[in-house]
Amino acid sequence: DVKVTQSSRYLVKRTGEKVFLECVQDMDHENMFWYRQDPGLGLRLIYFSYDVKMKEKGDIPEGYSVSREKKERFSLILESASTNQTSMYLCASSLLVGLARETQYFGPGTRLLVL
Amino acid sequence: AQTVTQSQPEMSVQEAETVTLSCTYDTSESDYYLFWYKQPPSRQMILVIRQEAYKQQNATENRFSVNFQKAAKSFSLKISDSQLGDAAMYFCAYRRGVSGGGADGLTFGKGTHLIIQP
Repeated sequence: DVKVTQSSRYLVKRTGEKVFLECVQDMDHENMFWYRQDPGLGLRLIYFSYDVKMKEKGDIPEGYSVSREKKERFSLILESASTNQTSMYLCASSLLVGLARETQYFGPGTRLLVL
Repeated sequence: AQTVTQSQPEMSVQEAETVTLSCTYDTSESDYYLFWYKQPPSRQMILVIRQEAYKQQNATENRFSVNFQKAAKSFSLKISDSQLGDAAMYFCAYRRGVSGGGADGLTFGKGTHLIIQP
């Protein structure tokens, strides 16, 4: 089974802190993604990566950055956390297969509260 | 830009009955994929079913099936013989086709909360 793990289930941070959310997948997937989930808004794509050191902006990248130094690990960074970044963050990964018939597998999510 | 619309914030069904969740989408692409994901209270997103746009045949996975109407840009999910374990948020999602490799994120609808009445 594909396993996508996230470093924390719950996180409480203060405004202005630098926050790291870590995601690790164990299936040698090329693609990794970060989404945030808010009630009534569904999931929205923040950033994704299709290879080590490669990254692409999603729909809502403002206030976030990412790092992918190793294939299995994809980090989401909040340089200076703000209260409007309080949310559920979901990581996903997928296999790159020819015509990209990949399915995204999700981690359990991190609920971040910024005070 | 593509959009996905789920017009039913909440649905309720009796156990063992059939329920249909609606989803419409808007895209100018001809190559794309559609998905239904389930998110139970445990929060783990689980893929329920996927449909390739180039396939006319509707996808089926056990009690779950879709009604894919490409011209109408409609992608509904039918759950037959509903079970208590089906209670969850259901998200419809779209991804454009990426030929020759590459990747792209999913565009999600806002979700439908499915309640199963015992």
